[in-house]
Amino acid sequence: EPEVTQTPSHQVTQMGQEVILRCVPISNHLYFYWYRQILGQKVEFLVSFYNNEISEKSEIFDDQFSVERPDGSNFTLKIRSTKLEDSAMYFCASTGFYQRPYEQYFGPGTRLTVT
Amino acid sequence: KNEVEQSPQNLTAQEGEFITINCSYSVGISALHWLQQHPGGGIVSLFMLSSGKKKHGRLIATINIQEKHSSLHITASHPRDSAVYICAVGDSTFGTDKLIFGTGTRLQVFP
Repeated sequence: EPEVTQTPSHQVTQMGQEVILRCVPISNHLYFYWYRQILGQKVEFLVSFYNNEISEKSEIFDDQFSVERPDGSNFTLKIRSTKLEDSAMYFCASTGFYQRPYEQYFGPGTRLTVT
Repeated sequence: KNEVEQSPQNLTAQEGEFITINCSYSVGISALHWLQQHPGGGIVSLFMLSSGKKKHGRLIATINIQEKHSSLHITASHPRDSAVYICAVGDSTFGTDKLIFGTGTRLQVFP
């Protein structure tokens, strides 16, 4: 069964460093999302992406964040200068475009630890 | 103000018990999702529903659109059902159907 994959599974970085989290969505999906979950808190929406552009972003998704689909398969989340409060689990999700409402398929997550 | 409220936050049960988790929401939705999150952190979709009732094995999900309320039931609970169960609603305001999540219900089933 097709699945969303994410790499790395765990990333440790120092404050101020840039990180890139990678996702490979399901191949025929068209909408892509990033969510994050700070330890002990609920999952929060960061950004959605469709047709090679951001379709919606949350207040969390400030200028330090960017997303890109550099080729036909990868979907990346970049944090330019990480802060301690960026430590969280980051989930990528994708969905098809067949019939509303759209079921979202989640990747296993990348745990980001900023020290 | 929380847009998605779940109750209870924590739930313990003996194996075999019938479990109910409730979810209320205050926004217009495209669909309601029930998700399962295991200790490793991965999220698995259990149900997506916009009306009525769905059943999958021992899991049943219902939704009442007028009352903006949904329930997830687990019949004959088993220790392997122990996980966090999350209610999320699809928000189609900007056409993206992004999910707005509840805080989750941590379920522990003891043998």
